[in-house]
Amino acid sequence: EVQLVESGGGLVQPGGSLRLSCAASGFTFSSYEMNWVRQAPGKGLEWVSYISSSGSTIYYADSVKGRFTISRDNAKNSLYLQMNSLRAEDTAVYYCALVCYIPCVDYWGQGTLVTVSS
Amino acid sequence: NFMLTQPHSVSESPGKTVTISCTRSSGSIASNYVQWYQQRPGSSPTTVIYEDNQRPSGVPDRFSGSIDSSSNSASLTISGLKTEDEADYYCQSYDSSIYWVFGGGTKLTVL
Repeated sequence: EVQLVESGGGLVQPGGSLRLSCAASGFTFSSYEMNWVRQAPGKGLEWVSYISSSGSTIYYADSVKGRFTISRDNAKNSLYLQMNSLRAEDTAVYYCALVCYIPCVDYWGQGTLVTVSS
Repeated sequence: NFMLTQPHSVSESPGKTVTISCTRSSGSIASNYVQWYQQRPGSSPTTVIYEDNQRPSGVPDRFSGSIDSSSNSASLTISGLKTEDEADYYCQSYDSSIYWVFGGGTKLTVL
């Protein structure tokens, strides 16, 4: 069974940093692309970042480019999101998502809440 | 870049059929697969339709997806509505075959 468990969220001041983690199990993590997606309170879904299975290809939404860094450790079956220079508008639940798992179904974690406030 | 536009909300009675549309602003709806996610209150999204019209294992056949090139839109149809179908539904497609683009979401009320 596919499992994705995010952690690392919390309350941080504007300008601060946080590192989110996503622990994956139930599938061959190193074979699959992954995304981070966020959802501000009461709002819709927003794609944040993409990483290929090997980690060699990475993309970011314009809203986080230059501030967020996605990475993965295939030996540890883990996905990460380093978030720097955080702003109030980054407040959201952050989900890690498995892209196109057999046959081609996307799976989501339960999310971790990031609150940026002074 | 393109946008996906969904109605903000729809409502229908139990046992009836409802259709939620997702219109692509530019480029062909057929050029990239469309996925549909269900998000119940307080829960994370789950896939109910992938690759335009495929249902994951465990999703009832009351859920179906389609695309219409003439209107450049995708649709999610739920028949035999149940109160448990009440949720937010999001369409998603790909930009440049990589980036996920989401519709704004549709709140389905079953009353």
